Amino acid sequence: DAGITQSPRHKVTETGTPVTLRCHQTENHRYMYWYRQDPGHGLRLIHYSYGVKDTDKGEVSDGYSVSRSKTEDFLLTLESATSSQTSVYFCAIRLAASNTGELFFGEGSRLTVL
Amino acid sequence: AQSVTQLDSQVPVFEEAPVELRCNYSSSVSVYLFWYVQYPNQGLQLLLKYLSGSTLVKGINGFEAEFNKSQTSFHLRKPSVHISDTAEYFCAVSDMSGGATNKLIFGTGTLLAVQP
Repeated sequence: DAGITQSPRHKVTETGTPVTLRCHQTENHRYMYWYRQDPGHGLRLIHYSYGVKDTDKGEVSDGYSVSRSKTEDFLLTLESATSSQTSVYFCAIRLAASNTGELFFGEGSRLTVL
Repeated sequence: AQSVTQLDSQVPVFEEAPVELRCNYSSSVSVYLFWYVQYPNQGLQLLLKYLSGSTLVKGINGFEAEFNKSQTSFHLRKPSVHISDTAEYFCAVSDMSGGATNKLIFGTGTLLAVQP
């Protein structure tokens, strides 16, 4: 499972509240990613990180911010959650030795915004 | 930029029958290709990948896929499915020249529903 832990696994919140999802890895991987999964859209990249304090936007980054203050943790924050952000969020890591793009995924965090 | 098309959102099939899940991609450069499987309430697991070499790739659980460059396809096949193969299958592509910042682009997924 590449040592990836996501928390919380399930969360229900209300519109307008802030939410932070955490991705923790134990194997010192440099590259980490946040995707969201929605029916009919597959997985879409939100943000990714290529090192401590080094992050960049993906294709659906609006409304999300990320932080990576240490190698093992990659945080995804919704500053003010909206119903359109109801989704399943997946964290993934890439092995440093691989430039093929192959990813290893966590178990997912299901977020419901009422 | 790359894109992936999985035209079939759902494929129903009877147990022990063969199945093919279709994947087509679009790219102006050479690509790496992947199939991932997602069982209910779980994360994605790599099924197989094409990086180079033989165009027929074998993966876990008896699945295989064939890379066809002229048709820009990477269809997934299994000669005889089991109930336990019921899952969602995602095709994905990445840019062979992307280097360290290479990103994986996913299709919309195909739900394989195996019926007894």
